[in-house]
Amino acid sequence: KNQVEQSPQSLIILEGKNCTLQCNYTVSPFSNLRWYKQDTGRGPVSLTIMTFSENTKSNGRYTATLDADTKQSSLHITASQLSDSASYICVVSASDDYKLSFGAGTTVTVRA
Amino acid sequence: GAVVSQHPSRVICKSGTSVKIECRSLDFQATTMFWYRQFPKQSLMLMATSNEGSKATYEQGVEKDKFLINHASLTLSTLTVTSAHPEDSSFYICSADGAGVRAAGDTQYFGPGTRLTVL
Repeated sequence: KNQVEQSPQSLIILEGKNCTLQCNYTVSPFSNLRWYKQDTGRGPVSLTIMTFSENTKSNGRYTATLDADTKQSSLHITASQLSDSASYICVVSASDDYKLSFGAGTTVTVRA
Repeated sequence: GAVVSQHPSRVICKSGTSVKIECRSLDFQATTMFWYRQFPKQSLMLMATSNEGSKATYEQGVEKDKFLINHASLTLSTLTVTSAHPEDSSFYICSADGAGVRAAGDTQYFGPGTRLTVL
């Protein structure tokens, strides 16, 4: 069964600090892995997408890494801002299925 | 590019009434659209896959007679919650498959969501 697990479930950080979110998956055969940011009451917005051959991708202060061998990914947020407060969802796509596998998300709260 | 809109953004209705939610791909054609439901502090759960011009495919446990899906054009899919009850209150999100959109990789674009509250 294709599964995506994220950790931690939630975290609180001070403005300006960095943090790293983790994603482990068992989706196979692997196609791509995406990180989304979802603000409260809004739909998910894509941050990064990585295929098998990519091991890092950046989008501004967001940097995602992928280790396809260990089936792990991380999302690093640099110099956090109050607007980074949101849920971050790891989504994995299998090459033989149009359905996406969603992680439960990590809720990040940035405090001044 | 690759914008998906939903209307309405939020709706409050009485128990027993029907509610229609629209999902539009604004600047691309979407052969396939997906409908998700999200409960508080939970991730998105796929309800059904909507293909233009054909019947939707529903996930196990989703009542097709309760959640009517119509995908009559390449830019519009609608979800109708019939005879809504309080337990149907949730956040409904659609996404559109933008295969062919000139954006590397990511071919599923999400709408902003619709908050349904059934009293």
